[in-house]
Amino acid sequence: EAAVTQSPRNKVAVTGGKVTLSCNQTNNHNNMYWYRQDTGHGLRLIHYSYGAGSTEKGDIPDGYKASRPSQENFSLILELATPSQTSVYFCASGDLGRNSDYTFGSGTRLLVI
Amino acid sequence: GDSVTQKEGLVTLTEGLPVMLNCTYQTIYSNAFLFWYVHYLNESPRLLLKSSTDNKRTEHQGFHATLHKSSSSFHLQKSSAQLSDSALYYCALSRRSNNRIFFGDGTQLVVKP
Repeated sequence: EAAVTQSPRNKVAVTGGKVTLSCNQTNNHNNMYWYRQDTGHGLRLIHYSYGAGSTEKGDIPDGYKASRPSQENFSLILELATPSQTSVYFCASGDLGRNSDYTFGSGTRLLVI
Repeated sequence: GDSVTQKEGLVTLTEGLPVMLNCTYQTIYSNAFLFWYVHYLNESPRLLLKSSTDNKRTEHQGFHATLHKSSSSFHLQKSSAQLSDSALYYCALSRRSNNRIFFGDGTQLVVKP
């Protein structure tokens, strides 16, 4: 079954440390997205990608990098984690141009202390 | 630019009463898709409804919405709320051409006995 899988499910990081969140999709979608979800702000787009090798800045990219080494994998990287990056992160894939709806992963809960 | 407004952050209802969650949007493009996503606690956000056709009612799992381009609205309705409807509901906008989704801030629906 086609799916979006995120790892880890939970992560505790120290301020200033490097954090990598991983996402894998088996939907064969061209487009992948990273969102963070915070109370009162909904889902905010951090980075997205149109395909392997491409990354684009979303609405709140500061403090984050992204990497799309393959069609299936899309990573979100926090080079120097800060407490303000404590949040729940969701990965999604989709291809509206091919009439494929967006599907989300189960989320990664990140706590930066 | 594209944007979505959900004016209610929290809606509390008694079971059996009708549900209406408001969604308005802004876009200069005529080929927009409007979505409702539902996010149950500890699950992934998932698609509830979508539409790109003006004045056509779309239904799924007891919920319905009609896209009205004249008023830029896509309100979510249900005739009778159930306890299991308690969740976070997101209205979202996308254009087929660029595969970005713009989410509203979400409306938390709480249904009480």
